[in-house]
Amino acid sequence: SQQGEEDPQALSIQEGENATMNCSYKTSINNLQWYRQNSGRGLVHLILIRSNEREKHSGRLRVTLDTSKKSSSLLITASRAADTASYFCATGNAGKSTFGDGTTLTVKP
Amino acid sequence: KAGVTQTPRYLIKTRGQQVTLSCSPISGHRSVSWYQQTPGQGLQFLFEYFSETQRNKGNFPGRFSGRQFSNSRSEMNVSTLELGDSALYLCASSLGQGHTGELFFGEGSRLTVL
Repeated sequence: SQQGEEDPQALSIQEGENATMNCSYKTSINNLQWYRQNSGRGLVHLILIRSNEREKHSGRLRVTLDTSKKSSSLLITASRAADTASYFCATGNAGKSTFGDGTTLTVKP
Repeated sequence: KAGVTQTPRYLIKTRGQQVTLSCSPISGHRSVSWYQQTPGQGLQFLFEYFSETQRNKGNFPGRFSGRQFSNSRSEMNVSTLELGDSALYLCASSLGQGHTGELFFGEGSRLTVL
């Protein structure tokens, strides 16, 4: 089974609202990464958080990591229609990463 | 800097045929990984190559194989195609050995098996 599981599977919000998606994983990690995928396209790296970090920011993105609960969350603030995509968390060493099932985010204009 | 290039982008095959997909990594990247993405199974790791050697392999049958050339370009091959092999095949490159950073993905090759 997948190392990471995202929650919720799908999320629909209005433009300007915040979107939060969660990821749980099973084994110990060195780092956790979040990727974005527009429909049928390749994945784009968003942010990496190391196991000794608790929170990281990048523009409108905020990622938290709780290694005691083996979970991470991705917050997108002030969402835009262009944020509509699927979001995946990934663990493991870069070449051999294990991806969760993803959260499909729809941002309505 | 050019990104990861995958060819072909789309292809249609019939059951029993074989297919070869190609991936050119970002210049300077020595690691190439392949993933299969389907609606039912999500993103599944196929294999990783580094300096022409397979470094990791996922849980796929022997019909799935790959290789990496001295210029880091990689190919994957699927023989005796089955309907269930219909998927988006994604290639990703990274700096490689000892690097635990981001993967750079190509746009994928969408394979349809009829």
